[in-house]
Amino acid sequence: SQKIEQNSEALNIQEGKTATLTCNYTNYSPAYLQWYRQDPGRGPVFLLLIRENEKEKRKERLKVTFDTTLKQSLFHITASQPADSATYLCAPISGSARQLTFGSGTQLTVLP
Amino acid sequence: NAGVTQTPKFQVLKTGQSMTLQCAQDMNHNSMYWYRQDPGMGLRLIYYSASEGTTDKGEVPNGYNVSRLNKREFSLRLESAAPSQTSVYFCASTRGATYEQYFGPGTRLTVT
Repeated sequence: SQKIEQNSEALNIQEGKTATLTCNYTNYSPAYLQWYRQDPGRGPVFLLLIRENEKEKRKERLKVTFDTTLKQSLFHITASQPADSATYLCAPISGSARQLTFGSGTQLTVLP
Repeated sequence: NAGVTQTPKFQVLKTGQSMTLQCAQDMNHNSMYWYRQDPGMGLRLIYYSASEGTTDKGEVPNGYNVSRLNKREFSLRLESAAPSQTSVYFCASTRGATYEQYFGPGTRLTVT
């Protein structure tokens, strides 16, 4: 069955450092992979999408990579700030699917 | 432009009671989704509607029914609530073929 694993439930880093979050998937071949941010008590908010033929995507301080051979996506936040503290979810999507499968998320805390 | 709205925000039910969770979107999206989110389990898809007039089961449909009332509204009904249905419920809608999802604020449901 399809499985998504996100590295460690919680990640603490110092302000100004780069946070790197991992998303590994098994038993399917997604055409896209999305990343979302979720704050406590709120719904997830879409951040970035990367396609299978893209190695890397950037948006301001965010960078996502997608390695279909390793079946892995990395999500980087550079020059991290306390305001980046949240839970980050990945969601690989197969091309024909109308439904997303989400990872359980990584809770990031950026310490001042 | 309110995006995705959900009512109610909080609800407490007794076992065996029924209720309907309401969801509406004003972004003219074709597809709508209902998820539940439990600690450590991530978001799990209950039902989705690819377009007005169609609904399909997701990963955890048992104990739920849905109605796609029109293009804007997608409701989730619990006919006989059980404590296992205690969760946070999110509605979402999708723009385009890459399935970028817009989430509502959630309904926190407790069944005693």
